[in-house]
Parts: sequence; structure tokens; C-alpha cells
Amino acid sequence: EVQLVESGGGLVQRGGSLRLSCAASGFIFSSYSMNWVRQAPGKGLEWVSYISSSSSSTYYADSVKGRFTISRDNAKNSLYLQMNSLRAEDTAVYYCARFDSAWGQGTLVTVSS
Amino acid sequence: QAVVTQEPSLTVSPGETVTLTCGSSTGAVTSGHFPYWFQQKPGQAPRTLIYDTSNKHSWTPARFSGSLLGGKAALTLSGAQPEDEAEYYCLLSYSGVLWVFGGGTKLTVL
Repeated sequence: EVQLVESGGGLVQRGGSLRLSCAASGFIFSSYSMNWVRQAPGKGLEWVSYISSSSSSTYYADSVKGRFTISRDNAKNSLYLQMNSLRAEDTAVYYCARFDSAWGQGTLVTVSS
Repeated sequence: QAVVTQEPSLTVSPGETVTLTCGSSTGAVTSGHFPYWFQQKPGQAPRTLIYDTSNKHSWTPARFSGSLLGGKAALTLSGAQPEDEAEYYCLLSYSGVLWVFGGGTKLTVL
């Protein structure tokens, strides 16, 4: 069974940093591109970032470009999102997702002002 | 920045058929956008229903189908059930460097 489990969310002050992790299991992680998606309270889904299977390509939404960094460790079957210079509008549930099949349960990031 | 549009809300009677659509501000939606459809129920994470326009998973009920229709991606629900009441999101890929979600369709089965 394909499974994704996020961790690392929490309360952080505006301007602070946080690193999210996503542990993957049930599939050959190194063969698939992965994404981070967020959902602000009561709002829709917003794509945040993409990373190719080998980490050779990474892409970001304009709203996080220059502040967030996506990475992965295929040996550890793990996906990461380093979030710096956090803003109030970054408050959301963050999901890791393999769009064709699986989503994690999400981890809540709250940025306080 | 592309904008992806969905009907904000739709209502369907149990057993009836409804089609949700997904349009792009850049023009016709094609298979090259690799349209995805996700279902999200309150308090739950999204779940992938359809990928690459029309591909299903083992967990996708047979009553759901994906297609391209009139320049848009479409999700058709044939024979709606009460448990299909949810928010439905489409996702389009733009040249493999940008992914954009639609605003979601709140489907009510009533």
C-alpha cells in the first residue's frame, strides 16, 4: 500500500523557518516525482513545489519562490520542504503528494504575527 | 499565470448523472495537461480519483469517469450516491513546470 506521512509542522513566528518531512512507503520512491501542496484554512488546494525523481528538476509556485526549498533523499524514502522567511499567508495544512496515486494526511503550519 | 476554472457548486439528485468541468485560461485543455481529479471530504486529505485525463485507480468507483469535453477536462459521475458529496478539485500541468489547481467544485447530492 502506498503511504505518505508528513511531519514537522507547528507554530512558528513570522520570519521564522520550518522543515517539513514526508516519509514514503509502499512504492519505489526513487522512481517518482513528488510534490508539496498546501491548503489554507477553509480554502482550496494550492500547488507549492515539485521535484523530479532524481532531484534534477525542481519547480516552485511564485508565492514561495526564493523562500522554500524542496529536496529528497531517495536512500531514506523521504521528501522535504525547507520553509524560510515564513509569512502569515503561509499558514496552511501542507500535504506531500504523488499526484497520480497518493496523498499524505497533512501537517499544519501556523505562522503567527 | 494560468487560471483553472471549475463550477463553484453543483447539486445532483441520487442516481442522476452530473458532469464537472475544468477549464484553462490559456486555451483548450488537452491530454498534454495531464488532467487530474481529486476528491476531498471535510476533515480529510484529498484522494486521487482520476489521473492523466481518464485513468482510474482500484479505489475509484466505476461510476466516476474522466474525459476531455469541449475544450475542458471533465469528470462525470453516473448514478450519484450520497457518499459522493464532497469537494472536487482538478489539477492541470503546464509544460511540466507549473501545476495549477482549480478552485474546486462543491458537489451536493440531494
